[in-house]
This record gives sequence, structure tokens and C-alpha cells, in this order.
Amino acid sequence: AQTVTQSQPEMSVQEAETVTLSCTYDTSESDYYLFWYKQPPSRQMILVIRQEAYKQQNATENRFSVNFQKAAKSFSLKISDSQLGDAAMYFCAYNRGDSNYQLIWGAGTKLIIKP
Amino acid sequence: ETGVTQSPTHLIKTRGQQVTLRCSSQSGHNTVSWYQQALGQGPQFIFQYYREEENGRGNFPPRFSGLQFPNYSSELNVNALELDDSALYLCAAKRGGAYQETQYFGPGTRLLVL
Repeated sequence: AQTVTQSQPEMSVQEAETVTLSCTYDTSESDYYLFWYKQPPSRQMILVIRQEAYKQQNATENRFSVNFQKAAKSFSLKISDSQLGDAAMYFCAYNRGDSNYQLIWGAGTKLIIKP
Repeated sequence: ETGVTQSPTHLIKTRGQQVTLRCSSQSGHNTVSWYQQALGQGPQFIFQYYREEENGRGNFPPRFSGLQFPNYSSELNVNALELDDSALYLCAAKRGGAYQETQYFGPGTRLLVL
């Protein structure tokens, strides 16, 4: 069975600095999708970034980028120039990439931004 | 805004009761998934509907059931509520047939079972 592990329950970073959130996963599939979602106190899950496993190039979205290491089954999120609005729970999620769109989630990392 | 709405936002029930949670999404989002998120945890997949048929289910008992309607709205029904059913319930909608499409989440319904 696929699993997703986030080993950092909480991380804090000074505003404008860079922070990296860790995620590891376990799967026997060769093709799949990985996601980082943000859940602010408003509770609504917002997609931050996604990575297709068949793509070697790491995904980037403005200040957000990932370090995807397929062999190590690692998928970390780097947030550059951290802003107060980045404070939230961040969840790493896995999808098998077929017609079953089920997302398997990590336990989340709470990101605190210090002004 | 994701175009996905859920009602009610909060709900309090007692053990043994039944509850119906609702989700609405924009036209074309013919795949809807429901997740249960216990406090301090990541979401757990309950089930998924595509074109009004259940086509995927997580490790949840049959007292969790659902419906999807032609207007892209959906319901999650839970019978015989238990204390452990207290959680945030999220629905996510997307266009089916192309798994590259992004899932859009609603703001959730917070259910408290006493």
C-alpha cells in the first residue's frame, strides 16, 4: 500500500527567508503524481504545486519549488521569500495516476512565519 | 475561490443519529471525492463518484454512503453516528477522464458528534 510521511510536525521561518518542508512516500508504482497542498485556518485545501513522476524536471510555481528525488522517494517543498500569508498547514499527497483519483495524504506540517 | 461549496459549515449531532452533508461544484466537474480529516491529521479518502456512480472507496464502513446528482452536486450520508466520526469532511471536485486535472476542494463541514 502506498504511504506518505511528513516527519516535521511544525516548522518556523523568519519572514523573507527560505524554508524546506520534507515528504517521503512509498509506492511500487512507476507512474504517479505528487502534490503539495496548503490548508490555511479557513480550512480550504489549496493546491500549491504538483509533480508528475515521469518528469525529471522539478516543478516550480513562483516562490514554490520542489526537489523530487524519485529513487529516494522524496518530495520536498521549498518556499522562498516566505510571506506572512504562507502560514498554514502543508500537506504532501500522492495519487496513483490512473482513473482512481484518490489522494493519499501525509499528516501535515504546520508552517509558522515569524515577522 | 475554487468553485466548490459545502453546507453546512458546522454541525453538531448526537451518537446514533444520521447526517447528510452537501457539496456543490461548477459545471463540468463530474468527479467528486469525499475525505474525512480528523483533528491534527491528514485527510482520509472515503469514496469517489464519477457520473453518478461510486467508482472508488476507501476503508470506511457501509454506513458511509453517498450520492451524486446530474447538476454536479453531491451528498455524503453517515448513519449511526459514532464519536469517532467527529471530523472535518472535505469534498473535492474535478473533471473526470483526464487525471491531470486539478482537484478543487470545498471549505469543508465540521461535524461534532456528542
